[in-house]
Amino acid sequence: SAVISQKPSRDICQRGTSLTIQCQVDSQVTMMFWYRQQPGQSLTLIATANQGSEATYESGFVIDKFPISRPNLTFSTLTVSNMSPEDSSIYLCSVEPAGGYGYTFGSGTRLTVV
Amino acid sequence: QKEVEQDPGPLSVPEGAIVSLNCTYSNSAFQYFMWYRQYSRKGPELLMYTYSSGNKEDGRFTAQVDKSSKYISLFIRDSQPSDSATYLCAMSENTDKLIFGTGTRLQVFP
Repeated sequence: SAVISQKPSRDICQRGTSLTIQCQVDSQVTMMFWYRQQPGQSLTLIATANQGSEATYESGFVIDKFPISRPNLTFSTLTVSNMSPEDSSIYLCSVEPAGGYGYTFGSGTRLTVV
Repeated sequence: QKEVEQDPGPLSVPEGAIVSLNCTYSNSAFQYFMWYRQYSRKGPELLMYTYSSGNKEDGRFTAQVDKSSKYISLFIRDSQPSDSATYLCAMSENTDKLIFGTGTRLQVFP
């Protein structure tokens, strides 16, 4: 299965600032996904990123708040913009494996906004 | 009502016990069912993948899907302390968007 490297693993940020999270995959993948995992809640899909097209956002998430880049088939970034304490969460990227069965996740970025 | 319901636990069992983890769901269009294991400060790791109804076994793990009852289960036999983690069920209508349960925290004590 694909190996995902996600950076940073954790960060503490001031409110009002932005953080860009990087996701690097060791193989080419068509679709990359960004999830948020808040304490005590299920993983929630933020957006789907296909190479060469704009990301598709789920209800409740907007591009101005969570801009995504997908410059090639192995890399994507998620930016959390104008952060507030409510953005404190774990952010995970995920890819669909070549066989199409299940998904592989990165180890996540633990974000704390103070 | 949430699309996927999962008891958050925590579930605490002695080593060697049989563990049963469950999820219920409301969307009858779900066809793909997965169980993920997530250790503390790690990303979810795929454990089991099932398409439609039936059972699937992999070592000490058995996944069951009952679409008529909208109920899925994961059984862990001969549980080990290394099985202590949060177990997440996930499901989808097709092979893209996954809907996750909130996860059940399992603690296996020696």
